[in-house]
Amino acid sequence: EVQLMESGGGLVQPGGSLRLSCATSGFTFSTYWMSWVRQTPGKGLEWVANIKKDGSEKYYVDSVKGRFTISRDNAKNSLSLQMNSLRAEDTAVYYCARNRGYTNSFFIDHWGQGTLVTVSS
Amino acid sequence: DIQMTQSPSTLSASVGDRVTITCRASQSISTWLAWYQQKPGKAPKLLIYKASILETGVPSRFSGSGSGTEFTLTISSLQPDDFATYYCQQFSSYSQTFGQGTKVEIK
Repeated sequence: EVQLMESGGGLVQPGGSLRLSCATSGFTFSTYWMSWVRQTPGKGLEWVANIKKDGSEKYYVDSVKGRFTISRDNAKNSLSLQMNSLRAEDTAVYYCARNRGYTNSFFIDHWGQGTLVTVSS
Repeated sequence: DIQMTQSPSTLSASVGDRVTITCRASQSISTWLAWYQQKPGKAPKLLIYKASILETGVPSRFSGSGSGTEFTLTISSLQPDDFATYYCQQFSSYSQTFGQGTKVEIK
């Protein structure tokens, strides 16, 4: 059974940093692209970042470029999201997600349960 | 960036009704479209990908159609377990964009 388990969410002040982790099991992690997706009541679902199977390619939504870094450790079957210079608008539930699809086009076939990040003073 | 617009935002229906949700893309995305179902407090669940391919294990009452810029998700006979929020997602490139969601509620 595919399992994705996020951790690391919490309350952080504006301008602060947080690192999210996602532990995976039940599939060959190194053969899948992975993503982070966030959800807020106001903006709905928003894709945040993608990372290629070997970590050699990374893509970000414009609003987090230069502040967030996606990474993976294929030896530990884990995905991470380093979030710096956090803003109130980054407040959301963050989901770790497994991608499936085609050469350059991926949809999400499994999601974690989500971890809440709250940016507030 | 490609924008996705769903309609309606909310839909009231009864068990047994045929339900149709529309998703429009701001530019052509061929058939690079997926549909998800989300229930309160839970992660989204994949229903359909590449516009019309039913994910394994998803009931056949769900179907998808469309290409280019206009797509539909149809539930042929609404069941009690189907009351939820539905999202479309385009995946025509490395970036992905979601629609704002359609909440299907009990009439």
